[in-house]
Amino acid sequence: LAKTTQPISMDSYEGQEVNITCSHNNIATNDYITWYQQFPSQGPRFIIQGYKTKVTNEVASLFIPADRKSSTLSLPRVSLSDTAVYYCLVGGSYGQNFVFGPGTRLSVLP
Amino acid sequence: GAVVSQHPSWVICKSGTSVKIECRSLDFQATTMFWYRQFPKQSLMLMATSNEGSKATYEQGVEKDKFLINHASLTLSTLTVTSAHPEDSSFYICSASGLRKETQYFGPGTRLLVL
Repeated sequence: LAKTTQPISMDSYEGQEVNITCSHNNIATNDYITWYQQFPSQGPRFIIQGYKTKVTNEVASLFIPADRKSSTLSLPRVSLSDTAVYYCLVGGSYGQNFVFGPGTRLSVLP
Repeated sequence: GAVVSQHPSWVICKSGTSVKIECRSLDFQATTMFWYRQFPKQSLMLMATSNEGSKATYEQGVEKDKFLINHASLTLSTLTVTSAHPEDSSFYICSASGLRKETQYFGPGTRLLVL
């Protein structure tokens, strides 16, 4: 199973860009990388998913280097409402081998 | 799209009783559903994976006789906590994936408190 490592916490200010990196050294060939956002007492919310290179959607970008052993979630111009825990989840297209890491607690300050 | 619901959102029960939690995919067919539990300030821990019409696969350390999982249809999975005890108090979250098995969509979670 692909274990993940993330910073435990990060602080940022409103309007700044935030980059959160996740390490997954033993990622398997068929594993995808998915990032989720979780607020207290809620289920995780899907942010973005990728397999390699760069993916961008309306809320975030995901950068994955060629060796796929890490990934970086980029949140442009964060606001106070982005204060949450962010998880990277690595898992396969067979619907298995999903392991959540400890998550990164992002605090956005005014 | 990709909405997953859970019911109830919270439940309080007496020790020794059984509690059933429902997980539904509202706008897609969920070939695979997952059940997680999460303790305060901790990450999600996968309990079991279930495929429609098949027996669930439990993670190591999870008692299958205590946490009964049924995935009888492509839109519904249930988790029954049998003979619940205070140590079973936790936040239970389900997720579902459809044709793209690498993508999970999560329900809002169920808070269980066993007195």
